[in-house]
This record gives sequence, C-alpha cells and structure tokens, in this order.
Amino acid sequence: DTGVSQNPRHKITKRGQNVTFRCDPISEHNRLYWYRQTLGQGPEFLTYFQNEAQLEKSRLLSDRFSAERPKGSFSTLEIQRTEQGDSAMYLCASSPFANTEAFFGQGTRLTVV
Amino acid sequence: AQRVTQPEKLLSVFKGAPVELKCNYSYSGSPELFWYVQYSRQRLQLLLRHISRESIKGFTADLNKGETSFHLKKPFAQEEDSAMYYCALSGSSNTGKLIFGQGTTLQVKP
Repeated sequence: DTGVSQNPRHKITKRGQNVTFRCDPISEHNRLYWYRQTLGQGPEFLTYFQNEAQLEKSRLLSDRFSAERPKGSFSTLEIQRTEQGDSAMYLCASSPFANTEAFFGQGTRLTVV
Repeated sequence: AQRVTQPEKLLSVFKGAPVELKCNYSYSGSPELFWYVQYSRQRLQLLLRHISRESIKGFTADLNKGETSFHLKKPFAQEEDSAMYYCALSGSSNTGKLIFGQGTTLQVKP
C-alpha cells in the first residue's frame, strides 16, 4: 500500500500518560494535515505542515498537543498527560498542493481509560 | 464563521431509488466544495469536487452559491453506494485545510 500510513492503528492508554502517533505521507507530498474525529462527527482540523514548517494550528490543539515534521517527511503527533476527552480517531492526510485532493490515512484510534 | 451542515445523519433508500444528500455551507469568500466518502472499513477518500464538475460513480453535485448548497445526487442508488458521506469546504486562504460536515450515512436497501 503506497498511500498514507499511520501507526499505530489503535492505542489504549491510561489517563495521564503520553502518547505519540506517526504519519508517513505519500512520497513527495508537501502538505501534511492532522485531523481529529470523534464519534458521530466529521473530522476536525488540528494542524498542517508545508514541508517541515508548521503553518497553522487550530485552537483545538491545546498546549498538551505537539506536532512535528522533521525534514519534511513523516510527522508525529504527541499528546501529553492524556485526558479521557482525547479519545478519538486521529487522521493524517497529505496532498501535493493546497486545494487539491487530500489523501487520508486509516487513522489511529486512541482510547484513554 | 466557516461551517458545513449536513442535516441528515442517516438516509435510507431502496436500490434504484434517487438519492440526494444535502449539504449547506457558510463561508464569506469563494470556497471549494468537496464530497468525501468512507466505505466500510476503508479510509476516507475523495468522491468529487465542484471545480472539476465531473460525475463519479454516477454521483453529481452542483454548487449553488445563492442557496450556499452543494447537494450530492444520484438518479439510481446501488447497494455498493452504502457508505458514510462527508461534505467538506476549503476556503480561499490557500491552506488546503478542510472543514467537514457531520456526515450522512447512506444505506441502500436491496
């Protein structure tokens, strides 16, 4: 599968623990996006990168969240001191340019217990 | 405020019946509108975008700026159309970020 890859697919963690997710975009896609999706809702934008630069962060992204994209390739999303409200599907997407088709990964489902 | 509204959580039709999935948006500029689809156990994927004006899998959608709508239509539903459909908006800020509606589950019964 040469599409967007996300790992792990599922993560169960105890409240207060830190978690890190990884996204490998389609090769040569400059843009990388993170979204969060809770049950019964559509995906909500969290942040995006153009190459290695993080250009926009949603107000949904609290101080406990941090994202990186070193060298403009894969990206990581870290959540510190997880809370039950962080339980959601975290989606990554990439695209070659703005306003072109976004290709989504299969997501990482986080459950905080 | 930028917003996408899909008023129906579930739309259930019989095979061969016409389908219309509603989408209304709120945006002050000139948005780009998309329909994304998620089939069971598959990833979210683009179905169509207004700028291309294509018909994909028999689906069409017309942007109506006066009514701020982008409804998805298909004249004859097929069982394989059963899926979750999301309407999404991309603004003119050139970020490419998408604002999604809540989604509509389309169930096509045999």
